[in-house]
Amino acid sequence: DIVMTQSPDSLAVSLGERATINCKSSQSILYSSNNKNYLTWYQHKPGQPPKVLIYWATTRGSGVPDRFSGSGSGTDFTLTISSLQAEDVAVYYCHQYYGTTWTFGQGTKVEIK
Amino acid sequence: QVQLRESGPGLVKPSETLSLTCTVSGDSTSGYYWNWIRQPPGKGLEWIGYVNNLGSTNYNPSLKSRVTISIDTSKNHFSLELSSVTAADTAVYYCARRIPASAGGIFDIWGHGTMVTVSS
Repeated sequence: DIVMTQSPDSLAVSLGERATINCKSSQSILYSSNNKNYLTWYQHKPGQPPKVLIYWATTRGSGVPDRFSGSGSGTDFTLTISSLQAEDVAVYYCHQYYGTTWTFGQGTKVEIK
Repeated sequence: QVQLRESGPGLVKPSETLSLTCTVSGDSTSGYYWNWIRQPPGKGLEWIGYVNNLGSTNYNPSLKSRVTISIDTSKNHFSLELSSVTAADTAVYYCARRIPASAGGIFDIWGHGTMVTVSS
């Protein structure tokens, strides 16, 4: 199975400041036939189902604010919130679907400092 | 507007079988992967497996020996059975639609989740 490891496990950021979450896969999740990374970022708030933020590692989901961006390729990926807002308090997960077994990172909890 | 809704018992006894159903409204089941994902209290998300509209399945190897996911296209619902449950299976269970990888591979529609507790 492909293991997804996020860092840090939690972070506290001041309103308006940048938040950066890293995700590392145990093997490359770049699909060579279409040059797409099979990586998605989800935002999960208590009492709600997860919501897609970024797919193919860098493509913003429908209706997602442009303060959210994704970068990286192969095995190393980053989710950046450029200017943290109060409504961004949540747990963030990276997710790979490259192999036949799909896996999530352990999650990163983002709070307001 | 496509909606998913989980239903089933909220309490299951140890060693018994957990059974949940996800009803799909607003669209057919064709062309997608229909998934179950869970989140134990205080822990992260775990993908359980999927079924497509043809009945093909794929399961998380860690649960494969105990999981069955099936689909009834005539009723527009799909189901999860997890046998021989223990307290470790206590979780919020979500059903979710996944679009093909060629279109982004995202879990784009989710149910609201249902809490299942394993306890005698």
